[in-house]
Amino acid sequence: AQKVTQAQTEISVVEKEDVTLDCVYETRDTTYYLFWYKQPPSGELVFLIRRNSFDEQNEISGRYSWNFQKSTSSFNFTITASQVVDSAVYFCALSEAMVGTYKYIFGTGTRLKVLA
Amino acid sequence: GAGVSQTPSNKVTEKGKYVELRCDPISGHTALYWYRQSLGQGPEFLIYFQGTGAADDSGLPNDRFFAVRPEGSVSTLKIQRTERGDSAVYLCASSSGLAEGYEQYFGPGTRLTVT
Repeated sequence: AQKVTQAQTEISVVEKEDVTLDCVYETRDTTYYLFWYKQPPSGELVFLIRRNSFDEQNEISGRYSWNFQKSTSSFNFTITASQVVDSAVYFCALSEAMVGTYKYIFGTGTRLKVLA
Repeated sequence: GAGVSQTPSNKVTEKGKYVELRCDPISGHTALYWYRQSLGQGPEFLIYFQGTGAADDSGLPNDRFFAVRPEGSVSTLKIQRTERGDSAVYLCASSSGLAEGYEQYFGPGTRLTVT
């Protein structure tokens, strides 16, 4: 069965610290996609990144980086030099390449608090 | 350009009443999704439309929930005989492509409170 686990319910860091948000997934599909979304206090989910199961290259975008490891079924997200504006709930999601099924399976989210 | 819009932003209704929640996707997006997010949880899939047809409605919790997208653009989620357990934020998302890997863009949600 497909499942996404975000074991960290809440993380607090001081501004400028680095922080890693963990995501572990389960799927029987060989072709799938992983996503990270940010949900700030305003509530709207903001797309951050998509990664497909055939591309294990790590990605960096400014202060954000993602580490995808199929061997451990993990897709972790690191924020370098965190800022107060990074405070939000972050969701990891899985989408499987099953015919006719394009839904996301979300984790329960990690609430990140960045303190000034 | 304009993002996904949802109306109303908040809806308070009494138990047993009927409600309609509207979603206006990004122009040109053929795929539309509804999710439900309870407090402290991740969004849970309800239904997926490709064009006018519901391609996957496996997430609808029971037959009190129904959704339509008659012209392949705006969608309405309809809940009959509302129950207190239906209280949640209902999120709509749209996507540009047919492939499952295309990212979904979410609206601000409708917060439904059933009293």
